[in-house]
Amino acid sequence: SAVISQKPSRDICQRGTSLTIQCQVDSQVTMMFWYRQQPGQSLTLIATANQGSEATYESGFVIDKFPISRPNLTFSTLTVSNMSPEDSSIYLCSVAPSDQYNEQFFGPGTRLTVL
Amino acid sequence: EDKVVQSPLSLVVHEGDTVTLNCSYEVTNFRSLLWYKQEKKAPTFLFMLTSSGIEKKSGRLSSILDKKELFSILNITATQTGDSAIYLCAGRLDAGNMLTFGGGTRLMVKP
Repeated sequence: SAVISQKPSRDICQRGTSLTIQCQVDSQVTMMFWYRQQPGQSLTLIATANQGSEATYESGFVIDKFPISRPNLTFSTLTVSNMSPEDSSIYLCSVAPSDQYNEQFFGPGTRLTVL
Repeated sequence: EDKVVQSPLSLVVHEGDTVTLNCSYEVTNFRSLLWYKQEKKAPTFLFMLTSSGIEKKSGRLSSILDKKELFSILNITATQTGDSAIYLCAGRLDAGNMLTFGGGTRLMVKP
């Protein structure tokens, strides 16, 4: 399985600021995703990070709020912009090694608290 | 709309008990169902099921998929306190690798 790291592991931020979360994988992967898990909730897909093109966002998530970069096949960033307390969540990077519907693995997550 | 429903929402058992966790799904163009264990932040991959009736097994954990009745079960035998976690199932669509997650089952195993 792929080894995935995320930075930061946690942060406490002030309302109105932005935070960029990094996801690094130890091998090239085709598919990278960003999920959000709000307190007491299950995981919700924010977007698929596409290498070399704009991310594909799910309903309810927009690029202005959650800009995503994916400059290569091992790295992606998610920015949470103009944060409010409602953005307090765990943000998880996930990868699928190929596009052949195989296993999907999660990074260690970033716990974000917005005051 | 794609939907994955897990039951029970929570479960408390004692060490040594056997538990069965349920996952039913309504997913367009279903490809596979995945089970994860979440203890702190990161869900840990357990199983991926694509074919009906074929049991996947790993130690005390096993899982099976019924594509006709659109459900899967995860069994844990001889439970231990270390099995305490949230267990998540997710259905994968045909389009890309997007996963639709259920709400999870919170399992607590008491000594």
